[in-house]
Amino acid sequence: DPKIIQKPKYLVAVTGSEKILICEQYLGHNAMYWYRQSAKKPLEFMFSYSYQKLMDNQTASSRFQPQSSKKNHLDLQITALKPDDSATYFCASSQDPDWGNQDTQYFGPGTRLLVL
Amino acid sequence: GDSVTQMQGQVTLSEDDFLFINCTYSTTWYPTLFWYVQYPGEGPQLLLKVTTANNKGISRGFEATYDKGTTSFHLQKASVQESDSAVYYCVLGDSNNRIFFGDGTQLVVKP
Repeated sequence: DPKIIQKPKYLVAVTGSEKILICEQYLGHNAMYWYRQSAKKPLEFMFSYSYQKLMDNQTASSRFQPQSSKKNHLDLQITALKPDDSATYFCASSQDPDWGNQDTQYFGPGTRLLVL
Repeated sequence: GDSVTQMQGQVTLSEDDFLFINCTYSTTWYPTLFWYVQYPGEGPQLLLKVTTANNKGISRGFEATYDKGTTSFHLQKASVQESDSAVYYCVLGDSNNRIFFGDGTQLVVKP
């Protein structure tokens, strides 16, 4: 059974619209993250949440807003979509962020977003 | 700032060839180092992890040694299989639980 679920798998949106990417983890982890992978580029860290609180934000644009309704959920709301937002968005989780660099992040399968 | 460098964009081998993927890192302290593997249409998967300098990580026939002296964490495998074809990322983890991915190396193994 998949331990990290991301929905939808594929998403097509029009410029200017708003979408929500869903992430749920069933690993019992306390920290969750969002990464973006644009075409032929490495994964880029966006946000980290620990115990449902924002810990780190490396995303310049306020159009990207994480939302955590439950400990094992971290959704990503994207407003005023632009074609440059087209990418695969990966959710990840880890056991305990207080472990610092001893912690290991596990990734979901990703949501592939295409903005037309 | 912290960074990881992978110079090889693609490596093409035949089955049973020896694999070597170069990785060097830059940081002001002793990070945790990882290799992640990504198959088409999937998220990255942890391949191996090393937390202490001059230690070696081994998993599924792959190994990497954390060399503090040369700031390297090269990935090796004695004999690759077609199923090893994927993108391999060298990753650095800092004390703030951020991880930094290298550019990735696409491994193509021909039967």
